[in-house]
Amino acid sequence: AQKVTQAQTEISVVEKEDVTLDCVYETRDTTYYLFWYKQPPSGELVFLIRRNSFDEQNEISGRYSWNFQKSTSSFNFTITASQVVDSAVYFCALSRDNAGNMLTFGGGTRLMVKP
Amino acid sequence: EPEVTQTPSHQVTQMGQEVILRCVPISNHLYFYWYRQILGQKVEFLVSFYNNEISEKSEIFDDQFSVERPDGSNFTLKIRSTKLEDSAMYFCASTHVGVQETQYFGPGTRLLVL
Repeated sequence: AQKVTQAQTEISVVEKEDVTLDCVYETRDTTYYLFWYKQPPSGELVFLIRRNSFDEQNEISGRYSWNFQKSTSSFNFTITASQVVDSAVYFCALSRDNAGNMLTFGGGTRLMVKP
Repeated sequence: EPEVTQTPSHQVTQMGQEVILRCVPISNHLYFYWYRQILGQKVEFLVSFYNNEISEKSEIFDDQFSVERPDGSNFTLKIRSTKLEDSAMYFCASTHVGVQETQYFGPGTRLLVL
């Protein structure tokens, strides 16, 4: 069975601070995919990144960066110089490498960025 | 940019009533999904659909639920006899190929069962 754990249920920072959202996953599969989605107060799910299990290169996209470490089964997400618009719930998710590839979501981390 | 659309955005129904939630996936996508999110909780997989049949379903997706692609564009989720615990946000998603592609989500339908 697959499992995703986001231990931080809620984080509060002041604008311009850096913040890291943790994600730890469990799977027996040798190949799999990891995702981060953002859920703003309006409720939709916005795709941020997809990473496959055989690519451990870290990725940076503007103020966002992701650190994938297979050895610790973690896929952490860092926002640099946070802004109020970053306030949202962030979900980490895992999928198998097979047809149908259902996403298993973590419980989410609510990030509040205060001005 | 193409996107997944869902209707209605909100639905209120009485317990025991049937509801149909509608989704229009991105036009060249082949795999379709339904997820639900009970208020304040995580997003849970319900079912995936490919080539006019269910490819995978979760324990939540019992006989009360069904899915259908009635035409070339719509993808529907039917709940036959709603229960209070069916109150949730229901998300539709689609992917181009399915196995290795990213799932893009619609804006959701908030269902309230009274």
